[in-house]
Amino acid sequence: KQEVTQIPAALSVPEGENLVLNCSFTDSAIYNLQWFRQDPGKGLTSLLLIQSSQREQTSGRLNASLDKSSGRSTLYIAASQPGDSATYLCAVRRPAGNNRKLIWGLGTSLAVNP
Amino acid sequence: NAGVTQTPKFRILKIGQSMTLQCTQDMNHNYMYWYRQDPGMGLKLIYYSVGAGITDKGEVPNGYNVSRSTTEDFPLRLELAAPSQTSVYFCASSWAPPAHQPQHFGDGTRLSIL
Repeated sequence: KQEVTQIPAALSVPEGENLVLNCSFTDSAIYNLQWFRQDPGKGLTSLLLIQSSQREQTSGRLNASLDKSSGRSTLYIAASQPGDSATYLCAVRRPAGNNRKLIWGLGTSLAVNP
Repeated sequence: NAGVTQTPKFRILKIGQSMTLQCTQDMNHNYMYWYRQDPGMGLKLIYYSVGAGITDKGEVPNGYNVSRSTTEDFPLRLELAAPSQTSVYFCASSWAPPAHQPQHFGDGTRLSIL
């Protein structure tokens, strides 16, 4: 059974710091992995999607890596800003055949302090 | 471009009442989804649709019904509200098969059953 774990559950950093959020999954047979951002009282915004054949994806100050063999993904945020404060969720999609189902982590709540 | 719009944003129901959560998207997406998000549980897929007239159950469909008469709309119906259905409900949509495209989320409906 695929399980997704995100550590830490909460993180507080000063502005300007580079930081890493972790996501681990128990079954390496995945189709892709996505990172989302959720602001309080809002829906989720897709940040990065990494296909199983890829090692990383970048968007601006964000870089997500994927290591299927070890069941890990990291989201690297460079030069963090107070506007980055949100909950970050990762989700793993199961292989084709049941590919509408995302398995979600519980998220890391990030606070970037001015 | 409004994206995915959910109404209402908040609602309190009494046990046994019924209601419909509305979801509409203006991106001409074929795929639409309903999730619920509970503290400490992650997001769970309730129902999804791959196009007008086609719906299918997700992980937790009991107590809910959906319809998809148009591409734009995907309402979720609770027939006999129960306290266990207290949750935040998110509607999402995607253009292509979700394995290839990220999902776009609405801002959610916060529902309390008392």
